[in-house]
Amino acid sequence: AQSVTQPDIHITVSEGASLELRCNYSYGATPYLFWYVQSPGQGLQLLLKYFSGDTLVQGIKGFEAEFKRSQSSFNLRKPSVHWSDAAEYFCAVGDTSGTYKYIFGTGTRLKVLA
Amino acid sequence: DGGITQSPKYLFRKEGQNVTLSCEQNLNHDAMYWYRQDPGQGLRLIYYSQIVNDFQKGDIAEGYSVSREKKESFPLTVTSAQKNPTAFYLCASSRDRVRGEQYFGPGTRLTVT
Repeated sequence: AQSVTQPDIHITVSEGASLELRCNYSYGATPYLFWYVQSPGQGLQLLLKYFSGDTLVQGIKGFEAEFKRSQSSFNLRKPSVHWSDAAEYFCAVGDTSGTYKYIFGTGTRLKVLA
Repeated sequence: DGGITQSPKYLFRKEGQNVTLSCEQNLNHDAMYWYRQDPGQGLRLIYYSQIVNDFQKGDIAEGYSVSREKKESFPLTVTSAQKNPTAFYLCASSRDRVRGEQYFGPGTRLTVT
């Protein structure tokens, strides 16, 4: 069965520091991969997506993610975090085999220290 | 501006009452989805619809019902059969269920006491 694991429930970084949020998935084929961000009490906003091709994808707000097939990972990175990046981040896998449903990870809450 | 609207933002109901959550989109998307979000559990799919007058159960459909009479609208009814209805509900849509990314509404927080 498909699954998505975000091993870090909470992460705290200082403003200006680099950030890496981890995402591992379990899936038989190459899935569609997404990262979303959610501010408290709000909906989710798409940061970036991977369907195929270049394994390093650029997104909005200065985020990027790298698909590593050998590690079944799709980690999200940002070179310099801003206080406004404090939010919850969700990794999602899209089934490509038939249902085309998304499976979401449980999220990583990012705190940014001034 | 195109987008997804959900109303109301906050909803309070007494136990035993059915309640309907609204979801409207003007993105001309074919596919629409309802998710439930609970702390520490990510998003779980309740129902989804690929075209008008058609919908499928997601992973946690028990105690919920939907309709899709118009392309723009996908209301969710939380029935009294739902054992633990208090949650944050998110509606989403996508242009293409195969390759289209999902766009989310602002959510409705339902509290049942």
